[in-house]
Amino acid sequence: DAMVIQNPRYQVTQFGKPVTLSCSQTLNHNVMYWYQQKSSQAPKLLFHYYDKDFNNEADTPDNFQSRRPNTSFCFLDIRSPGLGDAAMYLCATSNGRRDTQYFGPGTRLTVL
Amino acid sequence: AQKVTQAQTEISVVEKEDVTLDCVYETRDTTYYLFWYKQPPSGELVFLIRRNSFDEQNEISGRYSWNFQKSTSSFNFTITASQVVDSAVYFCALVESNFGNEKLTFGTGTRLTIIP
Repeated sequence: DAMVIQNPRYQVTQFGKPVTLSCSQTLNHNVMYWYQQKSSQAPKLLFHYYDKDFNNEADTPDNFQSRRPNTSFCFLDIRSPGLGDAAMYLCATSNGRRDTQYFGPGTRLTVL
Repeated sequence: AQKVTQAQTEISVVEKEDVTLDCVYETRDTTYYLFWYKQPPSGELVFLIRRNSFDEQNEISGRYSWNFQKSTSSFNFTITASQVVDSAVYFCALVESNFGNEKLTFGTGTRLTIIP
């Protein structure tokens, strides 16, 4: 089945220790998104890739970076996690910006 | 700017009751797309439906139905004969078609609890 996969499902890191979250897709979609979702809130878009073009949201902290080495994979790097970065991180893909976004199962990040 | 309002923060109903989740949106765009997503306790956002602004036909899928009314800028979601597995947070969302605004704008979500 075509799908969006996120690894790991749970990630524990220490304050200030860099962490990388992974997303892969078998849908062959050209757009990939990263969202941050904190408890009892709606997902908040961090950035997205349209093919190889990176689009950062204006309010996304510099602490968050992303890489998309190929169509299938996209990574979220948090350079120096703070306690406030503890959240669920959701990856999504779509076939064009106006198309339906399909989400992965998410990675729940804990910062100690 | 676009906006989606889900006024119901939490709803609890007894199993087998019908329940309607409200969604009101604001947009200046004439072409836009509306969505509903379900987020069970596991955390994954599950796509339920997409509606184009030029298609006001209501839709039924099993126990789920959606009522889209442009006149009132509403896109309500009804679950008939609710089941415990319907317990989740439901998000209504909007995408505009204007270049640069093609982002998914979420409502704040409605937490639905089905009581056995």
